[in-house]
Amino acid sequence: SQQGEEDPQALSIQEGENATMNCSYKTSINNLQWYRQNSGRGLVHLILIRSNEREKHSGRLRVTLDTSKKSSSLLITASRAADTASYFCATGARPGSNDYKLSFGAGTTVTVRA
Amino acid sequence: DGGITQSPKYLFRKEGQNVTLSCEQNLNHDAMYWYRQDPGQGLRLIYYSQIVNDFQKGDIAEGYSVSREKKESFPLTVTSAQKNPTAFYLCASSTTGQGSNQPQHFGDGTRLSIL
Repeated sequence: SQQGEEDPQALSIQEGENATMNCSYKTSINNLQWYRQNSGRGLVHLILIRSNEREKHSGRLRVTLDTSKKSSSLLITASRAADTASYFCATGARPGSNDYKLSFGAGTTVTVRA
Repeated sequence: DGGITQSPKYLFRKEGQNVTLSCEQNLNHDAMYWYRQDPGQGLRLIYYSQIVNDFQKGDIAEGYSVSREKKESFPLTVTSAQKNPTAFYLCASSTTGQGSNQPQHFGDGTRLSIL
Protein backbone atom coordinates (compact mmCIF):
# COMPACT_ATOMS: atom_id res chain seq x y z
CA SER A 1 0.00 0.00 0.00
CA GLN A 2 1.27 3.48 -0.80
CA GLN A 3 1.07 5.61 2.28
CA GLY A 4 2.83 8.78 1.12
CA GLU A 5 1.21 11.08 -1.41
CA GLU A 6 3.12 13.95 -2.97
CA ASP A 7 1.70 17.22 -4.12
CA PRO A 8 1.92 18.71 -6.71
CA GLN A 9 2.33 15.94 -9.30
CA ALA A 10 4.49 18.22 -11.44
CA LEU A 11 6.32 21.49 -10.97
CA SER A 12 8.12 23.70 -13.50
CA ILE A 13 10.35 26.50 -12.27
CA GLN A 14 13.04 28.85 -13.54
CA GLU A 15 16.64 28.22 -12.60
CA GLY A 16 17.44 30.05 -9.37
CA GLU A 17 13.89 29.81 -8.01
CA ASN A 18 12.88 27.67 -5.06
CA ALA A 19 10.84 24.48 -5.43
CA THR A 20 8.52 23.20 -2.73
CA MET A 21 6.72 19.89 -2.69
CA ASN A 22 4.58 18.27 -0.03
CA CYS A 23 3.95 14.77 1.22
CA SER A 24 1.02 13.54 3.27
CA TYR A 25 0.82 10.17 4.97
CA LYS A 26 -1.77 8.22 6.92
CA THR A 27 -0.35 6.36 9.92
CA SER A 28 2.26 6.92 12.63
CA ILE A 29 5.84 6.68 11.39
CA ASN A 30 9.38 6.12 12.62
CA ASN A 31 10.79 8.51 10.10
CA LEU A 32 10.11 9.97 6.69
CA GLN A 33 12.58 9.91 3.84
CA TRP A 34 12.95 11.83 0.59
CA TYR A 35 14.49 10.39 -2.56
CA ARG A 36 15.37 11.74 -6.00
CA GLN A 37 15.14 9.84 -9.26
CA ASN A 38 16.73 11.05 -12.48
CA SER A 39 15.12 9.81 -15.66
CA GLY A 40 15.81 6.13 -16.28
CA ARG A 41 17.88 5.72 -13.14
CA GLY A 42 17.47 4.31 -9.64
CA LEU A 43 16.43 6.37 -6.64
CA VAL A 44 18.97 8.25 -4.57
CA HIS A 45 18.37 8.89 -0.87
CA LEU A 46 18.37 12.62 -0.04
CA ILE A 47 17.38 13.07 3.57
CA LEU A 48 15.79 11.27 6.51
CA ILE A 49 13.83 13.10 9.18
CA ARG A 50 12.86 11.32 12.38
CA SER A 51 9.43 11.57 13.95
CA ASN A 52 10.81 13.68 16.83
CA GLU A 53 12.43 16.21 14.47
CA ARG A 54 10.64 19.19 12.96
CA GLU A 55 13.16 20.45 10.44
CA LYS A 56 16.32 19.21 8.80
CA HIS A 57 18.76 20.74 6.31
CA SER A 58 21.19 19.24 3.87
CA GLY A 59 22.91 21.65 1.51
CA ARG A 60 20.18 23.37 -0.53
CA LEU A 61 17.53 21.00 0.79
CA ARG A 62 15.24 21.76 3.70
CA VAL A 63 12.73 19.22 4.99
CA THR A 64 10.01 19.85 7.53
CA LEU A 65 7.83 17.34 9.32
CA ASP A 66 4.53 18.00 11.06
CA THR A 67 3.43 14.77 12.73
CA SER A 68 0.17 16.33 13.99
CA LYS A 69 -0.86 16.98 10.37
CA LYS A 70 0.91 13.87 9.05
CA SER A 71 2.70 15.91 6.44
CA SER A 72 6.19 16.82 5.28
CA SER A 73 7.61 19.29 2.82
CA LEU A 74 10.80 19.35 0.77
CA LEU A 75 12.22 22.71 -0.27
CA ILE A 76 14.97 22.99 -2.84
CA THR A 77 16.51 26.46 -2.77
CA ALA A 78 18.26 28.21 -5.66
CA SER A 79 17.35 25.45 -8.10
CA ARG A 80 19.68 24.33 -10.87
CA ALA A 81 19.08 22.46 -14.11
CA ALA A 82 20.62 19.40 -12.45
CA ASP A 83 17.74 19.36 -9.94
CA THR A 84 15.40 18.28 -12.74
CA ALA A 85 14.15 14.91 -11.49
CA SER A 86 11.28 13.17 -9.76
CA TYR A 87 11.14 13.42 -5.98
CA PHE A 88 9.53 10.80 -3.76
CA CYS A 89 8.69 10.67 -0.10
CA ALA A 90 8.76 7.32 1.67
CA THR A 91 7.42 6.21 5.00
CA GLY A 92 7.93 3.03 6.95
CA ALA A 93 6.33 0.92 9.59
CA ARG A 94 4.92 2.13 12.87
CA PRO A 95 7.37 2.88 15.70
CA GLY A 96 8.60 -0.28 17.40
CA SER A 97 8.02 -2.46 14.38
CA ASN A 98 10.79 -4.72 13.07
CA ASP A 99 9.52 -4.32 9.53
CA TYR A 100 11.99 -2.34 7.44
CA LYS A 101 10.03 -1.91 4.25
CA LEU A 102 9.11 1.53 2.91
CA SER A 103 6.01 2.81 1.14
CA PHE A 104 6.63 5.32 -1.65
CA GLY A 105 4.31 7.94 -3.03
CA ALA A 106 3.77 8.61 -6.73
CA GLY A 107 6.30 11.44 -6.75
CA THR A 108 6.59 15.07 -7.85
CA THR A 109 8.26 15.69 -11.20
CA VAL A 110 10.35 18.85 -11.07
CA THR A 111 11.55 20.57 -14.23
CA VAL A 112 14.05 23.40 -13.85
CA ARG A 113 14.14 25.68 -16.91
CA ALA A 114 17.40 27.39 -17.83
CA ASP B 1 33.07 1.15 -4.79
CA GLY B 2 30.18 -0.29 -2.79
CA GLY B 3 26.82 -0.46 -4.45
CA ILE B 4 24.03 -2.43 -6.04
CA THR B 5 24.33 -3.92 -9.50
CA GLN B 6 21.28 -4.87 -11.50
CA SER B 7 21.49 -6.81 -14.75
CA PRO B 8 20.59 -6.81 -17.50
CA LYS B 9 19.71 -3.16 -18.12
CA TYR B 10 17.13 -4.16 -20.76
CA LEU B 11 15.29 -7.47 -21.02
CA PHE B 12 12.70 -8.80 -23.42
CA ARG B 13 10.28 -11.56 -22.57
CA LYS B 14 8.44 -13.83 -24.95
CA GLU B 15 4.94 -15.13 -24.31
CA GLY B 16 4.94 -17.97 -21.74
CA GLN B 17 8.56 -17.42 -20.75
CA ASN B 18 10.03 -16.95 -17.29
CA VAL B 19 12.83 -14.41 -16.99
CA THR B 20 15.19 -13.72 -14.09
CA LEU B 21 16.49 -10.30 -13.10
CA SER B 22 19.75 -10.18 -11.21
CA CYS B 23 20.51 -8.00 -8.18
CA GLU B 24 23.85 -8.09 -6.36
CA GLN B 25 25.06 -5.83 -3.53
CA ASN B 26 28.44 -5.46 -1.84
CA LEU B 27 27.24 -3.14 0.91
CA ASN B 28 26.93 -5.94 3.48
CA HIS B 29 23.25 -5.05 3.92
CA ASP B 30 20.90 -7.57 5.49
CA ALA B 31 17.72 -6.36 3.78
CA MET B 32 16.98 -6.35 0.07
CA TYR B 33 13.88 -5.26 -1.84
CA TRP B 34 12.32 -5.50 -5.29
CA TYR B 35 10.06 -2.77 -6.64
CA ARG B 36 8.09 -2.31 -9.82
CA GLN B 37 7.68 1.15 -11.33
CA ASP B 38 5.19 1.88 -14.10
CA PRO B 39 5.46 5.05 -16.21
CA GLY B 40 4.78 8.21 -14.23
CA GLN B 41 4.07 6.26 -11.07
CA GLY B 42 5.67 5.51 -7.77
CA LEU B 43 7.29 2.31 -6.60
CA ARG B 44 5.28 -0.75 -5.64
CA LEU B 45 6.91 -3.41 -3.47
CA ILE B 46 7.04 -6.90 -4.97
CA TYR B 47 9.09 -8.89 -2.45
CA TYR B 48 11.53 -8.12 0.31
CA SER B 49 14.00 -10.04 2.43
CA GLN B 50 15.36 -8.96 5.79
CA ILE B 51 17.71 -11.91 6.26
CA VAL B 52 19.24 -14.72 4.22
CA ASN B 53 16.89 -17.63 3.47
CA ASP B 54 13.82 -15.60 4.37
CA PHE B 55 11.60 -13.31 2.33
CA GLN B 56 8.10 -11.82 2.43
CA LYS B 57 5.54 -10.85 -0.17
CA GLY B 58 5.02 -7.19 -0.82
CA ASP B 59 1.94 -5.54 -2.26
CA ILE B 60 2.10 -7.07 -5.76
CA ALA B 61 3.82 -10.48 -5.42
CA GLU B 62 1.52 -12.44 -7.74
CA GLY B 63 3.36 -13.65 -10.84
CA TYR B 64 6.79 -13.13 -9.30
CA SER B 65 9.18 -15.30 -7.27
CA VAL B 66 12.45 -14.65 -5.42
CA SER B 67 15.20 -16.47 -3.56
CA ARG B 68 17.74 -15.30 -1.00
CA GLU B 69 20.41 -17.98 -0.73
CA LYS B 70 23.25 -15.51 -0.25
CA LYS B 71 23.40 -12.18 1.55
CA GLU B 72 24.72 -10.46 -1.56
CA SER B 73 22.14 -11.70 -4.03
CA PHE B 74 18.36 -11.38 -4.42
CA PRO B 75 17.25 -12.50 -7.90
CA LEU B 76 13.69 -11.86 -9.10
CA THR B 77 11.93 -14.21 -11.50
CA VAL B 78 9.06 -12.83 -13.54
CA THR B 79 6.95 -15.86 -14.34
CA SER B 80 4.57 -16.45 -17.23
CA ALA B 81 1.75 -15.97 -14.71
CA GLN B 82 2.54 -12.23 -14.65
CA LYS B 83 0.36 -11.08 -17.53
CA ASN B 84 1.51 -7.47 -17.60
CA PRO B 85 5.25 -7.56 -16.87
CA THR B 86 6.29 -4.50 -18.88
CA ALA B 87 7.77 -2.12 -16.31
CA PHE B 88 10.96 -0.74 -14.77
CA TYR B 89 12.22 -3.01 -11.99
CA LEU B 90 14.31 -1.61 -9.16
CA CYS B 91 16.29 -3.48 -6.54
CA ALA B 92 17.34 -1.88 -3.27
CA SER B 93 19.09 -2.78 -0.05
CA SER B 94 19.35 -1.39 3.47
CA THR B 95 20.72 -2.11 6.90
CA THR B 96 18.42 -3.38 9.64
CA GLY B 97 18.44 -3.77 13.40
CA GLN B 98 18.14 -0.17 14.52
CA GLY B 99 14.42 -0.32 15.15
CA SER B 100 13.49 2.08 12.38
CA ASN B 101 13.54 2.28 8.62
CA GLN B 102 16.98 2.91 7.20
CA PRO B 103 17.83 4.65 3.91
CA GLN B 104 17.63 2.33 0.94
CA HIS B 105 20.31 2.13 -1.72
CA PHE B 106 19.06 1.46 -5.23
CA GLY B 107 20.43 -0.12 -8.37
CA ASP B 108 19.91 1.48 -11.75
CA GLY B 109 17.06 -0.79 -12.73
CA THR B 110 16.11 -3.30 -15.39
CA ARG B 111 13.60 -2.34 -18.05
CA LEU B 112 11.50 -5.36 -19.01
CA SER B 113 9.40 -5.42 -22.17
CA ILE B 114 7.21 -8.01 -23.88
CA LEU B 115 8.22 -9.21 -27.35
